[in-house]
Formats: sequence, C-alpha cells, structure tokens
Amino acid sequence: SAVISQKPSRDICQRGTSLTIQCQVDSQVTMMFWYRQQPGQSLTLIATANQGSEATYESGFVIDKFPISRPNLTFSTLTVSNMSPEDSSIYLCSVRTGGFNEQFFGPGTRLTVL
Amino acid sequence: GQQVMQIPQYQHVQEGEDFTTYCNSSTTLSNIQWYKQRPGGHPVFLIQLVKSGEVKKQKRLTFQFGEAKKNSSLHITATQTTDVGTYFCAGANSGYALNFGKGTSLLVTP
Repeated sequence: SAVISQKPSRDICQRGTSLTIQCQVDSQVTMMFWYRQQPGQSLTLIATANQGSEATYESGFVIDKFPISRPNLTFSTLTVSNMSPEDSSIYLCSVRTGGFNEQFFGPGTRLTVL
Repeated sequence: GQQVMQIPQYQHVQEGEDFTTYCNSSTTLSNIQWYKQRPGGHPVFLIQLVKSGEVKKQKRLTFQFGEAKKNSSLHITATQTTDVGTYFCAGANSGYALNFGKGTSLLVTP
C-alpha cells in the first residue's frame, strides 16, 4: 500500500493566478498520476508523471496549462496555470505500486477559482 | 478511444435491499477495477478482475467480469448504511491508464 499526502487540501484563488499542488508518497513509486474530479463527476486523468522523463498528458490537457514536476520517486507537483472558474475542481494525486494495477489516491486538493 | 459506461447514475435503497451497478466498455479490457468513494473522501480500491468470467466476493459484495471482458458488475447483498458512497468501475486496456466510469451513487436509508 501507499500513503499519500497532498498540499494544500483546499484553496480559493483569483482568476489569472496559478496554484501549485504538492503530492508526497511514503514510498518510492515509478508511476504517479494526476486526476481531476469535478463535483459529482467521475475522475479524469490529466497526466502521468514518471521520474526522469517528461509527463505524458491526456487529450485535452497541455503542459502550458498543467505543468508537472517529478524530481524524485516520492514527490510530484501539479501547477494549474492562469486559472479560470472552469478550473474549479478537486485535483487528486494517485500512485500505482509494485506489480499490481491497484491505484492509491491522495486526499485531493479542492480548488475554487473566483 | 476507450469509453467506460456505468449505470445507474444513482440508486436509492432501503437498508437490507440489494444493489447492483453495471459497467460496460466499448473495447475489450485487460482488467477492470472497482473503487468506492465516500462523500467528501477519495476513491479507495476495492478489487481487480483479470480473467474472463471471473467472480470474486468480499463479504456482501460480489464482483463479476464478463466472458468477453467488456462488462462487469458489482452486487451488494443486504445493503447497510455504511455502503453509502459512489462506486466507480475503471477499465484498463493494454496501457497503464485507467478509464473511470461516471460512477453510481448509492444512498441507503435506514
């Protein structure tokens, strides 16, 4: 299993600003994922972050808007850039450990953009 | 691309009644996973199904994977108030990414 923490847990931001969300895992993991979940909706994968390489973005998400860092095997950041109210959502960090496909999720960051 | 459809969107039952949620994929899956998300919480892994026709049980929960590996179901027998939450299926094909269904929100009233 993996224990994941995220900072901040929630934030209220002004339009046009940027917010960086941190994800810390208690063990070394190869693959980390960033998801977005709008209220009452499903989870949408933003990107996959592997240590030592560029993040891989899903269709509809671009690096300029959601830059990701993965400096080591236990940490990653997701930045939501030039925010608009449409970016209001819960952002979740997730990891996959060992040889199994089971994914563990962080507690999420609830972002509100005014 | 792969799409995972899940029905129903909502289900309201009386405590003690059974509950089933269904998941269908547009493509054949290598495996399917089920997650539960309590209100205000984050998704928590329940189970993974890999084999065609596989059936797994966890106490009152029964999970099935279709013969064609394109559909799955989660059945809860005799629901309890602790079963409240949203149940998501997530399909994986040959890649590493999971495609989540829209989820079924279960409400159980005593």
